[in-house]
Amino acid sequence: DTEVTQTPKHLVMGMTNKKSLKCEQHMGHRAMYWYKQKAKKPPELMFVYSYEKLSINESVPSRFSPECPNSSLLNLHLHALQPEDSALYLCASSRGTVASYEQYFGPGTRLTVT
Amino acid sequence: DAKTTQPNSMESNEEEPVHLPCNHSTISGTDYIHWYRQLPSQGPEYVIHGLTSNVNNRMASLAIAEDRKSSTLILHRATLRDAAVYYCISGTYKYIFGTGTRLKVLA
Repeated sequence: DTEVTQTPKHLVMGMTNKKSLKCEQHMGHRAMYWYKQKAKKPPELMFVYSYEKLSINESVPSRFSPECPNSSLLNLHLHALQPEDSALYLCASSRGTVASYEQYFGPGTRLTVT
Repeated sequence: DAKTTQPNSMESNEEEPVHLPCNHSTISGTDYIHWYRQLPSQGPEYVIHGLTSNVNNRMASLAIAEDRKSSTLILHRATLRDAAVYYCISGTYKYIFGTGTRLKVLA
């Protein structure tokens, strides 16, 4: 099973809402990633977790708060977002933070901030 | 800035081979070359990766130049399902996606 699942598929939220995105994998991978992809642009790395610890934060605003409760689960908590945060949010996982390991991506959550 | 440059778009006829080029002139000795593709409304999908030697798998082949400053992804027989944006990434696990090549396959 090489599947990364993400819920919800679509999310519409107001600027004052708090919501969470969820990502799950059961491949035993120890690295998990969040990417943001704006329309017609390539994905951009946001966060990297390695062995459930945050190892990389690519200068992401604090209104995005990641969490890795266990090795299979990755959340992205959203609060006070702006309309320009509307994008496809992709989760990925890999065996570890080693360059030779490929990453497996989920289908993404399409977020619209109104 | 992305470490790779690729043509914005390419076209291929169905059932013909496709060669997708990528330049990564600033690659360092331990950087891997990964290729992913993204179909419409989906997340990126792993295609192939390599370090120095050419690589083959069931999806494609990867030809890496001797100086490692460029590589070519080869789809041996393009199908309509191969229409996608193909991304070449060189570096570590901290992926920096370039703009990719949009491949159009003509029936």
